[in-house]
Amino acid sequence: AQKVTQAQTEISVVEKEDVTLDCVYETRDTTYYLFWYKQPPSGELVFLIRRNSFDEQNEISGRYSWNFQKSTSSFNFTITASQVVDSAVYFCARGSGTYKYIFGTGTRLKVLA
Amino acid sequence: DSGVTQTPKHLITATGQRVTLRCSPRSGDLSVYWYQQSLDQGLQFLIQYYNGEERAKGNILERFSAQQFPDLHSELNLSSLELGDSALYFCASSTGQVATNEKLFFGSGTQLSVL
Repeated sequence: AQKVTQAQTEISVVEKEDVTLDCVYETRDTTYYLFWYKQPPSGELVFLIRRNSFDEQNEISGRYSWNFQKSTSSFNFTITASQVVDSAVYFCARGSGTYKYIFGTGTRLKVLA
Repeated sequence: DSGVTQTPKHLITATGQRVTLRCSPRSGDLSVYWYQQSLDQGLQFLIQYYNGEERAKGNILERFSAQQFPDLHSELNLSSLELGDSALYFCASSTGQVATNEKLFFGSGTQLSVL
């Protein structure tokens, strides 16, 4: 199976620390799509970002940044100056032309005040 | 609000029973996905429909079935329920055009408890 691996099950940081969530994916597809979703304590999954395989530009959105490296099949997510409201489970996912969106097992981030 | 509606929010039932979970996609979305979220399994892809047709299948048990109706809403039927089926079941919708800037929009989920 073409997996998405999030090796960090749970991370705890103190507010204002930077934190990086790792994501490693497997794929045999030439074209594929990578995503990050946030699941706050309320439970609903919220879309954060989509990155296409043919676009390796990194992206920054406020305190969030993403590092996509095809050479290592990784799509890591960094939160700068973390806040308590960032506490959530974060999922990395991969989609492809076969239409299935495969999710990792998630990383629970706890930001302590 | 994602625009995806799932009902019911909570469901408590007994082993051996059958339940139906319902999902209405966002307006304009043709594709519906079902996922199961258990405590230690993350989000497991079950099945995808596009405009009424099954498009992709994941780790869906034979006791589970789904369909998408002409009005595009979808139902996930779970039968002969076991304790291990207790989980949060999510529905997501999308345009179904993965090559465009597509992303999944998730409903708030149905929490199923099998006692």
